[in-house]
Amino acid sequence: GQSLEQPSEVTAVEGAIVQINCTYQTSGFYGLSWYQQHDGGAPTFLSYNALDGLEETGRFSSFLSRSDSYGYLLLQELQMKDSASYFCAVRRLDSNYQLIWGAGTKLIIKP
Amino acid sequence: SAVISQKPSRDICQRGTSLTIQCQVDSQVTMMFWYRQQPGQSLTLIATANQGSEATYESGFVIDKFPISRPNLTFSTLTVSNMSPEDSSIYLCSVQLAGGPTDTQYFGPGTRLTVL
Repeated sequence: GQSLEQPSEVTAVEGAIVQINCTYQTSGFYGLSWYQQHDGGAPTFLSYNALDGLEETGRFSSFLSRSDSYGYLLLQELQMKDSASYFCAVRRLDSNYQLIWGAGTKLIIKP
Repeated sequence: SAVISQKPSRDICQRGTSLTIQCQVDSQVTMMFWYRQQPGQSLTLIATANQGSEATYESGFVIDKFPISRPNLTFSTLTVSNMSPEDSSIYLCSVQLAGGPTDTQYFGPGTRLTVL
């Protein structure tokens, strides 16, 4: 089957850097996606990695290592508004683009 | 990206009644999905809404309980039938845009349902 594992909660200080890890198990792999969801809001797409390496988008970066079945989301210069839940996801095999979702990581930012 | 609207945004319903949730997208989409999410939990896929044909349901979800329609490419409805308090949740529609980035889904704002 397919599964993803990510920490349930991460705490960091405003202005710092935080890394949210995601490991996945799947017999086939297309790429790893990251989504952000604020309390009471809908998930919003952050990034997608299909190839090994680091993708940077402003303060957010996402990394993928296909050989290690591992990726992470890196948030720099943390702001209070970054307090949210972060989900990693992979495409479900033999599907019409359905996604398998991690359980989510709640990021708590302290002043 | 796309603008996705859902109606209603929230509702409080009585046990045994039904609620229909609408999802409208302002762009051409390939796939439409319906999810359920409990507070603090991950997303659970209910079904894939197929244009002009029956939806594809995930294990644990059945058409009699969650009938879905998708009469055209940009509109879908999800009905929660014969509701019980266990159906209290947030219901989200999501879409994959035609020509959009791979494995990228865009979500509506959600419908917060409370069943008494």
